[in-house]
Amino acid sequence: DSGVTQTPKHLITATGQRVTLRCSPRSGDLSVYWYQQSLDQGLQFLIQYYNGEERAKGNILERFSAQQFPDLHSELNLSSLELGDSALYFCASSVAAQGTGYTFGSGTRLTVV
Amino acid sequence: AQSVSQHNHHVILSEAASLELGCNYSYGGTVNLFWYVQYPGQHLQLLLKYFSGDPLVKGIKGFEAEFIKSKFSFNLRKPSVQWSDTAEYFCAVNALKAAGNKLTFGGGTRVLVKP
Repeated sequence: DSGVTQTPKHLITATGQRVTLRCSPRSGDLSVYWYQQSLDQGLQFLIQYYNGEERAKGNILERFSAQQFPDLHSELNLSSLELGDSALYFCASSVAAQGTGYTFGSGTRLTVV
Repeated sequence: AQSVSQHNHHVILSEAASLELGCNYSYGGTVNLFWYVQYPGQHLQLLLKYFSGDPLVKGIKGFEAEFIKSKFSFNLRKPSVQWSDTAEYFCAVNALKAAGNKLTFGGGTRVLVKP
């Protein structure tokens, strides 16, 4: 157990639907990161939050959004889902906003059918 | 923007063999470097990291990596692998002057250790 908790572990949904992935960072960590892992794209950085504020943005589609709440947990919202959104979505956390490595969660496997 | 390339996509070797995985990055500024391992069905775990100082870094499970700045490389090594080292290995780079703390990952190398 890495200390980063992601729920749910698995999610199967239909195209066009909307889902929410949840992440609780390791105790004491203020930064949360979201990554998408797919066979064709590899590990792609989506977005980083630090203490509730967006800190860096990567290859995140407009159909996707995220936020970090006052208790530091984060949610990644994926809408108008397409087959190509099927992937593993990892959350990670770190203490600082910059210059450190992360601790990863176990991921949410999203299957869009 | 930084990028990371891992030369070998798949490596197959026998137990007790030595392992070396190549990693090159492209970024002209100061970087932090990482190797992560992902065992089948599990999350990514940090093997080792380089921030500054001695370019030869020792990590967990007997792994080490050498940072060669002139070659923009951060190769991972293990002198004698075990069957339990079967996993996918990812090199990652953090560009310190970039906004935020984004890690850019290489495409990964799948390592299969035959007993």
